[in-house]
Amino acid sequence: RKEVEQDPGPFNVPEGATVAFNCTYSNSASQSFFWYRQDCRKEPKLLMSVYSSGNEDGRFTAQLNRASQYISLLIRDSKLSDSATYLCVVSFYTGGFKTIFGAGTRLFVKA
Amino acid sequence: EAQVTQNPRYLITVTGKKLTVTCSQNMNHEYMSWYRQDPGLGLRQIYYSMNVEVTDKGDVPEGYKVSRKEKRNFPLILESPSPNQTSLYFCASSLIGGRVGTGELFFGEGSRLTVL
Repeated sequence: RKEVEQDPGPFNVPEGATVAFNCTYSNSASQSFFWYRQDCRKEPKLLMSVYSSGNEDGRFTAQLNRASQYISLLIRDSKLSDSATYLCVVSFYTGGFKTIFGAGTRLFVKA
Repeated sequence: EAQVTQNPRYLITVTGKKLTVTCSQNMNHEYMSWYRQDPGLGLRQIYYSMNVEVTDKGDVPEGYKVSRKEKRNFPLILESPSPNQTSLYFCASSLIGGRVGTGELFFGEGSRLTVL
């Protein structure tokens, strides 16, 4: 089993749609959780951190369920510019901080 | 401007010819890390460093070496490159929030390496 698993893609959605991505992680000692966005094999960039209380940034909402070891990202009112690969990232301490990336979920938003 | 700089951005080399990919950050970050990205596999951590002279293996360290002699620099060394090391490599840096975890990872633009 992979340490971080994400929904297989690609997701093809029309503009204005709501889309949800899911991610599960296997290491219960994981401490930090993030969603990153990557465009066309460019460098990943932080979209948002994920907290147990849930957090929202404009059209984006992230949730963390530690008991189920599950992270989600909800995108409302999708824009063409949201087309990208979304990476789920988990960090945990093993004497140093390892960061594990999911394989990513590709999103295509169509006009 | 806060940034992580990798060099070279593109490199074609031959099997066995030692090479170094440099990484430098100007944000005074303690944490630095190297990843490789391959189709269908996502980013996999090669090595990371919690601070100067403190390095540790990630998930795929075989065939690679690193050093952290200065806080700003974290070079990745391929002593004897092989074709299975053909990949897109990213360096990243971050602050460390105590034992809570890393903060936001700032990435370099990537180095595309081809080993023939």
